[in-house]
Amino acid sequence: KAGVTQTPRYLIKTRGQQVTLSCSPISGHRSVSWYQQTPGQGLQFLFEYFSETQRNKGNFPGRFSGRQFSNSRSEMNVSTLELGDSALYLCASSLRLGFGKTQYFGPGTRLLVL
Amino acid sequence: GIQVEQSPPDLILQEGANSTLRCNFSDSVNNLQWFHQNPWGQLINLFYIPSGTKQNGRLSATTVATERYSLLYISSSQTTDSGVYFCAVASNSGGYQKVTFGTGTKLQVIP
Repeated sequence: KAGVTQTPRYLIKTRGQQVTLSCSPISGHRSVSWYQQTPGQGLQFLFEYFSETQRNKGNFPGRFSGRQFSNSRSEMNVSTLELGDSALYLCASSLRLGFGKTQYFGPGTRLLVL
Repeated sequence: GIQVEQSPPDLILQEGANSTLRCNFSDSVNNLQWFHQNPWGQLINLFYIPSGTKQNGRLSATTVATERYSLLYISSSQTTDSGVYFCAVASNSGGYQKVTFGTGTKLQVIP
């Protein structure tokens, strides 16, 4: 069974631009969660989608948004990029909703904002 | 919000040695997980352990929820155990699950 895939793997953008990251979960998984990892703030939870609906969210500004499609693939969008948005963005998929379950992580997308 | 502290921040072990990593949290939580991130950035779930003890091979974890701490034991360490170990807790807040990660313990196992 194929693992979680994320595209693109690396991305360079400039301040003020917007970016869309994609995550394809393991086949059959209906939950996709997104995380941001930076040297300064560490790992932070962004949001979780299950059956095309956002079910949980972290404490991020509205510039960070996401969606999930009927095939469970998910996209994350960041608008009006800031330097501090430079990070490794990880997505994870799982069978069930909620944090208390086994999550399978993708390799991440490294975003650099100049 | 809930504070999660991990100790030690850094740890260097000789291959074959044992170690204990600690995770303290400041308030009641309804679940806790341990993760390992290898040197190439890949993150994996190790344990979902809101309370009690679990074992998986050379790794085991214990959470004492009433005293707000969890321990991760690594026995007979191997170089492949190197990386960063995170604990994360979740609590219910306003209809959502609020997830908080610790700052991690960076482990280096040397041959």
